Amino acid sequence: GQNIDQPTEMTATEGAIVQINCTYQTSGFNGLFWYQQHAGEAPTFLSYNVLDGLEEKGRFSSFLSRSKGYSYLLLKELQMKDSASYLCAGGYGGSQGNLIFGKGTKLSVKP
Amino acid sequence: KAGVTQTPRYLIKTRGQQVTLSCSPISGHRSVSWYQQTPGQGLQFLFEYFSETQRNKGNFPGRFSGRQFSNSRSEMNVSTLELGDSALYLCASSLGTGDETQYFGPGTRLLVL
Repeated sequence: GQNIDQPTEMTATEGAIVQINCTYQTSGFNGLFWYQQHAGEAPTFLSYNVLDGLEEKGRFSSFLSRSKGYSYLLLKELQMKDSASYLCAGGYGGSQGNLIFGKGTKLSVKP
Repeated sequence: KAGVTQTPRYLIKTRGQQVTLSCSPISGHRSVSWYQQTPGQGLQFLFEYFSETQRNKGNFPGRFSGRQFSNSRSEMNVSTLELGDSALYLCASSLGTGDETQYFGPGTRLLVL
């Protein structure tokens, strides 16, 4: 299968920077998605990386290395509202209608 | 544009019953994917429909089925419910060609007693 691995939990301080890592199997890989999910809510789209490198979107950035099967999500200037689960998902095969999700990283932001 | 909508939002059923969940995608989106989310397993892919055809399928038993209508709305059905089917069922829509970003609905929380 296409295992997606990411840490289970992380804790960070308000105003700090946190990096959430994700590794995936490269065979048949198309692209890498990051979603944010607050407790009791649906996942919301954060970023999509197809090419190697860093993509920046405001306080959030996402990085991809296709050769290493590695991605990270970087959150800057953390706010309390950033406390959520962050889901890494890989698209595989001919279409990307079937994303393979990691189990999510629960981020707690403390004052 | 309206987002992805799912009905009902909450359901309580008993073992052995069947259930049908509905998903209306974002206007213009032709792909609908279904996922099951549980605390232990996370988000797991059930199946994807595109233009009324099942295009991809996950590793779930045949009790889980779905279909898509000509207006891209989709339904999923679970027959002979088991306690382990208690979960949040999420659908996500995408254009289906090119940009494959999936946008999720609010989910249907199913409790099987």
